[in-house]
Amino acid sequence: GQNIDQPTEMTATEGAIVQINCTYQTSGFNGLFWYQQHAGEAPTFLSYNVLDGLEEKGRFSSFLSRSKGYSYLLLKELQMKDSASYLCAVRGSSGGSYIPTFGRGTSLIVHP
Amino acid sequence: DADVTQTPRNRITKTGKRIMLECSQTKGHDRMYWYRQDPGLGLRLIYYSFDVKDINKGEISDGYSVSRQAQAKFSLSLESAIPNQTALYFCATSGPNTEAFFGQGTRLTVV
Repeated sequence: GQNIDQPTEMTATEGAIVQINCTYQTSGFNGLFWYQQHAGEAPTFLSYNVLDGLEEKGRFSSFLSRSKGYSYLLLKELQMKDSASYLCAVRGSSGGSYIPTFGRGTSLIVHP
Repeated sequence: DADVTQTPRNRITKTGKRIMLECSQTKGHDRMYWYRQDPGLGLRLIYYSFDVKDINKGEISDGYSVSRQAQAKFSLSLESAIPNQTALYFCATSGPNTEAFFGQGTRLTVV
């Protein structure tokens, strides 16, 4: 089975940097995803890590350490529109197939 | 047009009624999923299918059934709806090594 932990809620100030952590335990590992979800809307893909290290995409970066079962999403130059839930998802082994399992999400509140 | 389309978008139904949620996708992917989302509980997997002849239970399949009518279509049924199935339901599709693409969700209320 899989177990994914991330903080329930975080707050930050517009223009600042915030780091959202995700720890996981999984049987078999085949990639970690971060999604953004605004209230009542569909999750949208932000980043993907399968090897250790940092992936950068504009204001968003994601880091993975497979040996530690740890990832973080870094958001720079925060904007009010970044207020959303951020979902960590791990693709792990289940019955011989790889399927994504989601954490409970971190609600990020950006204030002026 | 959206890559993944869910119908209906909103539905209110009575306890004991049968209801079907439909999903179609134009991504051309083989893998399709149904999730439910409840406040504070994240996305939980109900069923998934890796091709037309493949159906698998997720972590919360009790009370639900699915049908994979074609590569592009995957429907979720509640045979006898109950109030604790009130939730936001998402359909998604992915390739074997791609991210998931989600539909806009179906908000289901069982009264």
